[in-house]
Amino acid sequence: AQSVTQPDIHITVSEGASLELRCNYSYGATPYLFWYVQSPGQGLQLLLKYFSGDTLVQGIKGFEAEFKRSQSSFNLRKPSVHWSDAAEYFCAVGLSGNTPLVFGKGTRLSVIA
Amino acid sequence: DAGVIQSPRHEVTEMGQEVTLRCKPISGHDYLFWYRQTMMRGLELLIYFNNNVPIDDSGMPEDRFSAKMPNASFSTLKIQPSEPRDSAVYFCASSQQGPGELFFGEGSRLTVL
Repeated sequence: AQSVTQPDIHITVSEGASLELRCNYSYGATPYLFWYVQSPGQGLQLLLKYFSGDTLVQGIKGFEAEFKRSQSSFNLRKPSVHWSDAAEYFCAVGLSGNTPLVFGKGTRLSVIA
Repeated sequence: DAGVIQSPRHEVTEMGQEVTLRCKPISGHDYLFWYRQTMMRGLELLIYFNNNVPIDDSGMPEDRFSAKMPNASFSTLKIQPSEPRDSAVYFCASSQQGPGELFFGEGSRLTVL
């Protein structure tokens, strides 16, 4: 069965520092890949997605993610974190256009001054 | 455009009572999903519909849970009778095609005492 692993439960970074959130998946084929962000008390919002093509994808709020087939990874990055980026981040994968997304357990990001 | 609308935002009830959560998906979206979020289990897919027809309800935990989608603009998730372990945030999400690019509501936080 497919699975998504986000190894880091909680990460704390200083404002202005760079950020990388890890995501690994277990699938037989290249899945559709997503990153979502959830602010406290809110629903999830799509940050970016990868279906095919260029393995480096740009998203909203200055985030980017890189698909690495050899490592079965889809890590999320941001060069300079802002305090407003503090939230929960979820990686999700889907097998095809007709299967539901499977979400990782999430990584909580705290930003300190 | 209005997003996915869920009600109520918060529900506190006593064990044994019936709970009904409501969802209005984005107009024109063919897929509707119900997820449950808890600290222990993360985001779990309960059930999803395509064109108002339930496609996969294997995530529904027990017979106490039921979901309906009588038309394209309305869905309900019912728990009867409710138990304390049902306490969670329940999210409704919709998408235009397949499972990708889910649009989430703000969630219904359920507390069963």
